[in-house]
Amino acid sequence: AQSVAQPEDQVNVAEGNPLTVKCTYSVSGNPYLFWYVQYPNRGLQFLLKYITGDNLVKGSYGFEAEFNKSQTSFHLKKPSALVSDSALYFCAVRTNTNAGKSTFGDGTTLTVKP
Amino acid sequence: GAVVSQHPSWVICKSGTSVKIECRSLDFQATTMFWYRQFPKQSLMLMATSNEGSKATYEQGVEKDKFLINHASLTLSTLTVTSAHPEDSSFYICSAVGEKSSYEQYFGPGTRLTVT
Repeated sequence: AQSVAQPEDQVNVAEGNPLTVKCTYSVSGNPYLFWYVQYPNRGLQFLLKYITGDNLVKGSYGFEAEFNKSQTSFHLKKPSALVSDSALYFCAVRTNTNAGKSTFGDGTTLTVKP
Repeated sequence: GAVVSQHPSWVICKSGTSVKIECRSLDFQATTMFWYRQFPKQSLMLMATSNEGSKATYEQGVEKDKFLINHASLTLSTLTVTSAHPEDSSFYICSAVGEKSSYEQYFGPGTRLTVT
């Protein structure tokens, strides 16, 4: 079975500071890893993904994430946070088996204060 | 590209009635669509996987007769909540996987269902 853990329900940072939202995963086989952002009463917006290749992936809105196989982690990062980054962030994992189903973490609420 | 729409975006219905939610892939053909349910401040719970032209595969604990899913074409899947009750009130989100890339899921904007 595959699983995702986002150990922090809430992350608070000041605007302009770097941010990290943590994610660890567990799968059998090679993971496909994703980060999504959700604003209130909206669907999920894709930020970035890791399928294969470089461990550091860059995505939308200045976000990036690093795939660490040994630590089974895929933390989301941004060098300088904006107030508009405040939202709910989900990490997800899937493989090329299991009918392509994604498993989502419980989500982390990011609050960026001016 | 890769836009998924849902209709309606919100709906209020009376207990005992049925509600249909549509999920459309606007600019690509979706071989697979997924239906999720999300409670406030919680993660997405996969309800079912829908493949065009075949019966949906429901997750354990999801009532097939209550949540009817039809994937009639490569661009349309529908979720019908039958005999709705207040506990069915939730945010329902669909996603679609395109035939060109099986890696990415494209999410619809969600439908807020309130059953009174």
